[in-house]
Amino acid sequence: AQKVTQAQTEISVVEKEDVTLDCVYETRDTTYYLFWYKQPPSGELVFLIRRNSFDEQNEISGRYSWNFQKSTSSFNFTITASQVVDSAVYFCALSATNTGTASKLTFGTGTRLQVTL
Amino acid sequence: EAGVAQSPRYKIIEKRQSVAFWCNPISGHATLYWYQQILGQGPKLLIQFQNNGVVDDSQLPKDRFSAERLKGVDSTLKIQPAKLEDSAVYLCASSLGGTLGAVTETQYFGPGTRLLVL
Repeated sequence: AQKVTQAQTEISVVEKEDVTLDCVYETRDTTYYLFWYKQPPSGELVFLIRRNSFDEQNEISGRYSWNFQKSTSSFNFTITASQVVDSAVYFCALSATNTGTASKLTFGTGTRLQVTL
Repeated sequence: EAGVAQSPRYKIIEKRQSVAFWCNPISGHATLYWYQQILGQGPKLLIQFQNNGVVDDSQLPKDRFSAERLKGVDSTLKIQPAKLEDSAVYLCASSLGGTLGAVTETQYFGPGTRLLVL
């Protein structure tokens, strides 16, 4: 069975601070994918990134960066120089490739990020 | 490119009433998903379609929930009769799709329908 744990329920930071959102996952599959989604107050889940289990290279996209470490089963997300527009709930999700089904996502419970001026 | 469309955005009903939600996926996407997101939780998959066939409905409460995707494009999710615990956001997502059991794909989500059952 798959499980995703986001231990941080809520984080508050002041604008321009850096913030890291933690994600720890569990799976018995050797091939799997990890995702981060952003859910602003409007409710739509916005896709941010997808990584597969064979690619442990860290990734940077503008102010966003992701640190994937298989040794600790973690896929953490860092926002550098946070902005008010980053305020949202962020979800980490896991999908393992099972024969017969495709793309079943298991989500964590989310981390609510509040960025204030 | 147009995203996933859902309607209505909000719905308030009384318990034991029925309700239906509609979803139109991204054009060309063969796989469609319905998720239930209860307040404070992550989305939970209810049902997954590949074209007009059901791939996974293991977590769909089939005594009251039903879903269809008759022409392999848009889809309807119905609840009949609704219970208080059905209050949630119902999210529709789609992905390109392909051979069943193929590599995991990225899912793109719609804005959701917020349901309140009184």
